[in-house]
Order: sequence, then C-alpha cells, then structure tokens
Amino acid sequence: EEQLVESGGDLVQPGGSLRLYCAASGFIFSDFAMTWVRQAAGKGLEWVSGISEGGDRPYYTDSVKGRFTISRDNSRNTLYLQMNSLRADDTAVYYCAKGWQAFGPWGRGTLVTVSS
Amino acid sequence: ETVLTQSPATLSLSPGERASLSCRASQSLGTSLAWYQKKPGQAPRLIIYGASNRATGIPARFRGSGSGTDFTLTISSLEPEDFAVYYCQQRSNWRTFGQGTKVEIK
Repeated sequence: EEQLVESGGDLVQPGGSLRLYCAASGFIFSDFAMTWVRQAAGKGLEWVSGISEGGDRPYYTDSVKGRFTISRDNSRNTLYLQMNSLRADDTAVYYCAKGWQAFGPWGRGTLVTVSS
Repeated sequence: ETVLTQSPATLSLSPGERASLSCRASQSLGTSLAWYQKKPGQAPRLIIYGASNRATGIPARFRGSGSGTDFTLTISSLEPEDFAVYYCQQRSNWRTFGQGTKVEIK
C-alpha cells in the first residue's frame, strides 16, 4: 500500500524556520515527482511546491519563493520542505502528495503554526 | 495565474440524490483538470484526473466531464460517505485549486 507520512510541524515564531519531512513507502519513490500542498484553517487547498523525480527541478508558488526550499533524498524515500522567514499567513496543515500532474495519494498532514 | 471558480459553494442534498459540481477556468485547460475529495481531519483523495478518468478505487458513481474552461463532477447517487468538500485542480499553468464545493446532507 502506498503511504506518505508527514512530520516536523510545530509552533514557531514569525521569522523563524522549520523543516518538514514526508516519509514515503509502498512505491518506488525515485520514479515519481512529489508535491507539497497546504490548507489554512477554514480555507481551501493551496499548492506550495513540487519537485522532479531526480530532485533537480524544484517549483514554488510565488508567495513562498525565496523562503521555502523543497528537496528529496531518494535513498531515504524522504521528501523535505525547508521553510525560512516564516510568516503568520504560512500557518496551515501541510500535506505531501505523490505526483505532479495529479496528486495522489496524500499524507494526513502536519500542522505548522506561526505565532508569537 | 489560472483561476478556478467552483459553484455552488454549498450543495445541500439527500442520500440517493444526484450531485452536479461545476469548475470553471479563467483560461483553457484542455483536459488538464483533477478533482479531489476532502473530509475533516482526513487526507485529500484523488477522485478524477485528466478531466474524466477515475482514480484507482473510485466508484463508478463518480463521473468527470468537460474540457477547455468548463468542467463538471457528477455523483450519480449520493452515498453517506460522499458528503465532503470537493476541489478541482488544474495542471495546465503551474498548479492551482478551486475554492471548493461543500456537499452537505440536507
């Protein structure tokens, strides 16, 4: 069974940093692009970032460019999202998902709260 | 940026009824559209990809249709587990989601 498990979410102060992790299992991780999507409380889904199978092509939504870095370690079947200069409007549940054209499956998410 | 507009915002229906959800794009997408189901506290679930292809394990009562700028997700006969929020997502111009349609029990 394909499975994704996110971790690393926490309460962080504005301007702080956090690294999210997504552990993949049940499929050949290195064969698939991967994606991060977030959902703020009471809001809809927002695509955040994606990365190619080999990790050489990262993509970002405009609001996180220059602050977030997506990466992956195919030997560890793990996807990362390094988040710097965090702002209150980055507060959300962050999901990782398999794929780039359409996303599935998804993990259950990890909560990031940016607040003083 | 390609904007996706979903309507209605909320659909109030009874089990067994037919649900029809709309997603309109600000520019032509061809068939580069997917639909997702989201329940509170759960991971989103891919329902439809390529506008009309059911994802693995999705029941036949879910049908996606449309191309260009107008797309529809139809649930032929609502089951209790189908009450959720549904999002469309485009992959033609980067990636964006619609704002969602909530299908609630009447």
